[in-house]
Amino acid sequence: GESVGLHLPTLSVQEGDNSIINCAYSNSASDYFIWYKQESGKGPQFIIDIRSNMDKRQGQRVTVLLNKTVKHLSLQIAATQPGDSAVYFCAEINDYKLSFGAGTTVTVRA
Amino acid sequence: EPEVTQTPSHQVTQMGQEVILRCVPISNHLYFYWYRQILGQKVEFLVSFYNNEISEKSEIFDDQFSVERPDGSNFTLKIRSTKLEDSAMYFCASSQANNSPLHFGNGTRLTVT
Repeated sequence: GESVGLHLPTLSVQEGDNSIINCAYSNSASDYFIWYKQESGKGPQFIIDIRSNMDKRQGQRVTVLLNKTVKHLSLQIAATQPGDSAVYFCAEINDYKLSFGAGTTVTVRA
Repeated sequence: EPEVTQTPSHQVTQMGQEVILRCVPISNHLYFYWYRQILGQKVEFLVSFYNNEISEKSEIFDDQFSVERPDGSNFTLKIRSTKLEDSAMYFCASSQANNSPLHFGNGTRLTVT
């Protein structure tokens, strides 16, 4: 069965607001997680990663939170911009294999 | 920034024909992968490749599929006898280590008619 998934298939957000994209995973042995962004006609683009020995990691305008107790991962995007419109996938690496969830389509409203 | 490149961007083929999808991974990467994405669905793992051999493959990667690293820069996916259901985006990826981020190309859209 699927081990990685996202709570909501779509998210609409006002430009300038913060976005939160959620992901639940079921494999408690997973120790490495990655968020990817996929724009139309392009391949998945690495955004940020986090290993299981951390619960938070920050990048430029993005923050990933990991809650191992409830097996939940989230991606926060600060001050969402039109260029953030895309499909976002969480992915886990387990036994050296990367598995994707189903994706959340983020639409930024002007 | 180095990137994974894939050719062609779009391939149309007739059912039963062989296709070869080509990829040039990032030059200092050691691990190579193929994934596919059927329209509107999630990205699915096909195969991983390291040290000139397949390290893992999914159920999708049956006898009709093969991979090869013919030289020091290319990584190819061959489908021997294409089926309609092989129509999808095929993504190549590479990584430096087996527990580091995968970097993806922009894919080849395969259309089987």
